[in-house]
Amino acid sequence: ETGVTQTPRHLVMGMTNKKSLKCEQHLGHNAMYWYKQSAKKPLELMFVYSLEERVENNSVPSRFSPECPNSSHLFLHLHTLQPEDSALYLCASSQNRATEAFFGQGTRLTVV
Amino acid sequence: SQKIEQNSEALNIQEGKTATLTCNYTNYSPAYLQWYRQDPGRGPVFLLLIRENEKEKRKERLKVTFDTTLKQSLFHITASQPADSATYLCALDTDTGGFKTIFGAGTRLFVKA
Repeated sequence: ETGVTQTPRHLVMGMTNKKSLKCEQHLGHNAMYWYKQSAKKPLELMFVYSLEERVENNSVPSRFSPECPNSSHLFLHLHTLQPEDSALYLCASSQNRATEAFFGQGTRLTVV
Repeated sequence: SQKIEQNSEALNIQEGKTATLTCNYTNYSPAYLQWYRQDPGRGPVFLLLIRENEKEKRKERLKVTFDTTLKQSLFHITASQPADSATYLCALDTDTGGFKTIFGAGTRLFVKA
């Protein structure tokens, strides 16, 4: 266990569905991240929150909507996704820059 | 353009040998570089961080070097074991003051008994 918990572990959703991914950390970290990992591709940074403010948004389509209600929780709201959005979605947290990131186990998302 | 390159071909080695993985980067000036291990279907796990002013760092059987002139990091696992089989990811950050960490695609390592 890394101290970062993601739910659900697996999710299958239709293209018209709305769902949310949840991430929780109790490590006292001040930064949280969403990454997307597709097969044979590097991790793609999607969003970064520092002290509950979004500090990075890497040109992610608006069908992905992050929310950080407090420093321990991070959500990724999904709606009208496409099959190419199927991937492993990873949440991570860290304490400042230049420190290690702790990753959750990921949510395996399949869009049908 | 900015790139991080790790050998996309899997590395197969015999148990007990030293595994050496390479991470090359272009058009970055990273303040530090990290190595992670990732097992199938799981999130990456941090292994080592090395800063731009450090040439080498060790942790148990692991050793990382960082050559900012060559723009390269080498990751070594000595006395490798089958349990070391995994994908190893290189990640680097810039000194821009942000939280942006960029990952390479990883190299898959297989250690045969």
